[in-house]
Amino acid sequence: DVKVTQSSRYLVKRTGEKVFLECVQDMDHENMFWYRQDPGLGLRLIYFSYDVKMKEKGDIPEGYSVSREKKERFSLILESASTNQTSMYLCASSLTSRETQYFGPGTRLLVL
Amino acid sequence: GNSVTQMEGPVTLSEEAFLTINCTYTATGYPSLFWYVQYPGEGLQLLLKATKADDKGSNKGFEATYRKETTSFHLEKGSVQVSDSAVYFCALSFNDMRFGAGTRLTVKP
Repeated sequence: DVKVTQSSRYLVKRTGEKVFLECVQDMDHENMFWYRQDPGLGLRLIYFSYDVKMKEKGDIPEGYSVSREKKERFSLILESASTNQTSMYLCASSLTSRETQYFGPGTRLLVL
Repeated sequence: GNSVTQMEGPVTLSEEAFLTINCTYTATGYPSLFWYVQYPGEGLQLLLKATKADDKGSNKGFEATYRKETTSFHLEKGSVQVSDSAVYFCALSFNDMRFGAGTRLTVKP
């Protein structure tokens, strides 16, 4: 079974802090994704990566950056956390862009 | 662009009731269609999928048929259980994955 893990289930940070969310997948998938999930808005794509060191902006990249130095690891960075970034963050991976995505358990981030 | 519209919730049913959650899509090509389920406190997991017109995806008693003529992929289950309580997301995949807003289902004993 594909396993996608995220570094934290819950995080509490202060406004202005730099926040790192890490995601690791164990199935050698090419594609990795970061979404945020908010009530009534479904999942919105922040960034995705189709290869090591490659990244593409999603629908809502503002205030975020990403890093993919190794195939199995995809990090989401909030350069200066703000209260409107309080959300559930979900990481996913897939073999190709059309295939099933496999999700981690999510990180619930609260920015105070 | 590609998009998915799904039935708004929440939906509350009694155990053994029939479930339908509507999903329609807009796409310029021929996407793959998915239903994902999110149980409380967890990430999304694939429930079923269909990759071409008239395909039927099925899993755990749930079914959905890829209808190109009506651009729909409605989720159905004949008899829901309390354990089916979750949030259900319709999604399409062409060059990227597009998700619906999600429908929360609560099944009461």
